[in-house]
Amino acid sequence: DTAVSQTPKYLVTQMGNDKSIKCEQNLGHDTMYWYKQDSKKFLKIMFSYNNKELIINETVPNRFSPKSPDKAHLNLHINSLELGDSAVYFCASSQEAAGGHEQYFGPGTRLTVT
Amino acid sequence: GENVEQHPSTLSVQEGDSAVIKCTYSDSASNYFPWYKQELGKRPQLIIDIRSNVGEKKDQRIAVTLNKTAKHFSLHITETQPEDSAVYFCAAKANTGFQKLVFGTGTRLLVSP
Repeated sequence: DTAVSQTPKYLVTQMGNDKSIKCEQNLGHDTMYWYKQDSKKFLKIMFSYNNKELIINETVPNRFSPKSPDKAHLNLHINSLELGDSAVYFCASSQEAAGGHEQYFGPGTRLTVT
Repeated sequence: GENVEQHPSTLSVQEGDSAVIKCTYSDSASNYFPWYKQELGKRPQLIIDIRSNVGEKKDQRIAVTLNKTAKHFSLHITETQPEDSAVYFCAAKANTGFQKLVFGTGTRLLVSP
């Protein structure tokens, strides 16, 4: 009955590879997010979707492509991985329509690029 | 855009002492200010939040104060316990349209027994 889940939890891959991270929420929320947390623990938003529509797209290399097949799922595909992509990626969700802003985070995916 | 500054970056206290973490924000349109706690290797979790129509909010040992004129807000933890040790993040968000939540840089709190 996990609220926000992500797979995989750990991802180790080589430079140049393409990888995907999946996220699912069972809270019935209308908005989902991808955050990147670097080694200094800075939490930075990358993308946000509301009801499957992209609403926030920060300055992120176009090697990163989010996809929201439905409002309960938000996946992140990364092409041509680079060393600097190593970080923890968190998915989150919130119910914005009702004025609620609390964001519920997934457990994170630790990506290591070698 | 919004910019959130957070101080201190690290804070060490003895068990039972109080801890205060301060944040400032730049966008006067911001009106939602949450605080998240992130334990080592875990996800950030909301511990308390405040909206701009309230100056102070308390929940047991934690309290948050907001000064909209000065654009700063603070987290107060009283009677600290070792399990309070974590990284704490403040954040700010405007309520107009779909605005992003902008996080501070985090404060690593260490409570020594």
